[in-house]
Amino acid sequence: KAGVTQTPRYLIKTRGQQVTLSCSPISGHRSVSWYQQTPGQGLQFLFEYFSETQRNKGNFPGRFSGRQFSNSRSEMNVSTLELGDSALYLCASSLLPGQGADETQYFGPGTRLLVL
Amino acid sequence: AQTVTQSQPEMSVQEAETVTLSCTYDTSESDYYLFWYKQPPSRQMILVIRQEAYKQQNATENRFSVNFQKAAKSFSLKISDSQLGDAAMYFCAYRSAPFNSGNTPLVFGKGTRLSVIA
Repeated sequence: KAGVTQTPRYLIKTRGQQVTLSCSPISGHRSVSWYQQTPGQGLQFLFEYFSETQRNKGNFPGRFSGRQFSNSRSEMNVSTLELGDSALYLCASSLLPGQGADETQYFGPGTRLLVL
Repeated sequence: AQTVTQSQPEMSVQEAETVTLSCTYDTSESDYYLFWYKQPPSRQMILVIRQEAYKQQNATENRFSVNFQKAAKSFSLKISDSQLGDAAMYFCAYRSAPFNSGNTPLVFGKGTRLSVIA
């Protein structure tokens, strides 16, 4: 099976712009979660989607949003970019409870965003 | 809220030797999962090993094993016969057992950077 894929891998934006990141989960996985990784704050949970619905949300401002499509692919959007949004954005996919014993989250390679 | 603490920011080990990475967590829940993830310089987060809290037996995966002490809320990772490819950042992570609300997010520690010396 192919792993989790994320596009683009690298991105450079300027303050005030917006950005959209994409994530394709492992085939058969229906849950997609997003995390932000920075040197200062470490790994922080952004949100989780299942069946095109946001099931969980972390403590991030409304500038961060996401969505999931019927094929389980997910996008996250950050509007009005700030310098502090520079980070590695990781996407992870997993099965849901009841679909098997493995609720483990498997991660993609990440998108490195630099805001200038 | 749950917290995960990795008290060793950096560690080093000689090739072929054994090293143990520490992790403690704080929770009031009785059912949960614990994970060790490895993040090499490529930044790809790779699952190393997982442990279900209801299982008393410590998980093992080839050269990787854990020492899970539920009462002490401790979850250490032992790497045997260390190899150069084991050099990476290692993250301990906690996840609540899913209930009707579905999956719960991972809570990560700050990580331990492991260097392997040839």
